[in-house]
Amino acid sequence: DSGVTQTPKHLITATGQRVTLRCSPRSGDLSVYWYQQSLDQGLQFLIQYYNGEERAKGNILERFSAQQFPDLHSELNLSSLELGDSALYFCASSSRDSGGGLSFGPGTRLLVL
Amino acid sequence: AQSVTQLGSHVSVSEGALVLLRCNYSSSVPPYLFWYVQYPNQGLQLLLKYTSAATLVKGINGFEAEFKKSETSFHLTKPSAHMSDAAEYFCAADTQGGSEKLVFGKGTKLTVNP
Repeated sequence: DSGVTQTPKHLITATGQRVTLRCSPRSGDLSVYWYQQSLDQGLQFLIQYYNGEERAKGNILERFSAQQFPDLHSELNLSSLELGDSALYFCASSSRDSGGGLSFGPGTRLLVL
Repeated sequence: AQSVTQLGSHVSVSEGALVLLRCNYSSSVPPYLFWYVQYPNQGLQLLLKYTSAATLVKGINGFEAEFKKSETSFHLTKPSAHMSDAAEYFCAADTQGGSEKLVFGKGTKLTVNP
């Protein structure tokens, strides 16, 4: 158990809809990262937050947004969903003293029909 | 841009045989390097990491990896495969010295045959 929790585990929705994925980092970790895993693109870094502030952005679409709240949990919002957004979305966290390396949550599997 | 290449999307070994999963990185600066394992329907679990200390790194479950700067490689090995090692393995690099913004390889699916 990595200590990172994600909800929901599975999500099925339709094209054009909007969904919110939630992540709670490991206790004490200030950084939260979102990754997308798909068959064709592999694991892609989306965005990082550190203590409530956006720290780094990767291949995140404009239709996607994220935030980190004062209690350090994070939400990833996906809107105007397309079939190609179907993927596994992972949240990960780290601490300053981790010496590198992330702790990953179990992921949310999103299916857009 | 930093990239990580894993040679072989599928590797099959017999139980008890040597496991060798290959990873090469492209960077002018030796990065921090990681191996993660993903079991079916689970998240990624850190196996081991290289952060510019010893070049031979030991991880969990009997795995180890050797950083070779001259070859820009960080191959993962295990002397004797176990059925429970069947999973997908990802190599990752962080060129920003602990920023944890990782670039992942495409993954290698390991099958262990009885």
